[in-house]
Amino acid sequence: QTVVTQEPSFSVSPGGTVTLTCGLSSGSVSTSYYPNWFQQTPGQAPRTLIYNTDTRSSGVPDRFSGSILGNKAALTITGAQADDDSHYYCLLHMGAGIWVFGGGTKLTVL
Amino acid sequence: QVQLQESGPGLVKPSETLSLTCTVSGGSISSYYWSWIRQTPGKGLEWIGYVDYTGSAKYNPSLRSRVTMSIDTSKNQFSLRVHSVTAADTAMYYCTSSPPGAYGVGYWGQGALVTVSS
Repeated sequence: QTVVTQEPSFSVSPGGTVTLTCGLSSGSVSTSYYPNWFQQTPGQAPRTLIYNTDTRSSGVPDRFSGSILGNKAALTITGAQADDDSHYYCLLHMGAGIWVFGGGTKLTVL
Repeated sequence: QVQLQESGPGLVKPSETLSLTCTVSGGSISSYYWSWIRQTPGKGLEWIGYVDYTGSAKYNPSLRSRVTMSIDTSKNQFSLRVHSVTAADTAMYYCTSSPPGAYGVGYWGQGALVTVSS
């Protein structure tokens, strides 16, 4: 069974730029996987940031952007802020209507 | 904007059936895909499955044998049933909708904590 992979943790300085990735244990991620990205802070429901690879959800600041980088989906945060300190999850469509989450990345802003 | 609200028992006994309902407002239930996602305490997210307005459903292969989803368009509600639950099914359960005109997850309910315990 193919596993969706994410960096377990990442850190960025305030004002800096960070790119989180979402890959596959076997194969390459493309737009056909319709990558979604979510942000979750402790005690809260997740919030959708990006869907369809690069479409920002309503109300999401444009410093969050989605793309395909090489063989992975990517979430780039430009000008990181303190409240970006969160968990980030990706979700991929594996075909036949089946979706799989990555294990999540804990982003620390310090 | 679509709003979602989960409801159902917060405590279920082992071997029984977990039942949750999601009430939709602010959008047509015929226009989206409706999914359930869960998160065990301190862990990541798990996609359970989705149902569309016709009642057609797709489930996570690891849960397929125990999960049933249904939809009631007249009430603007969709539902999840997980049969033969164990402690491993203790989790926060979220109902969600697809983004407008797209695939994946756009809107989230606030979540319902379900504990499996005798």
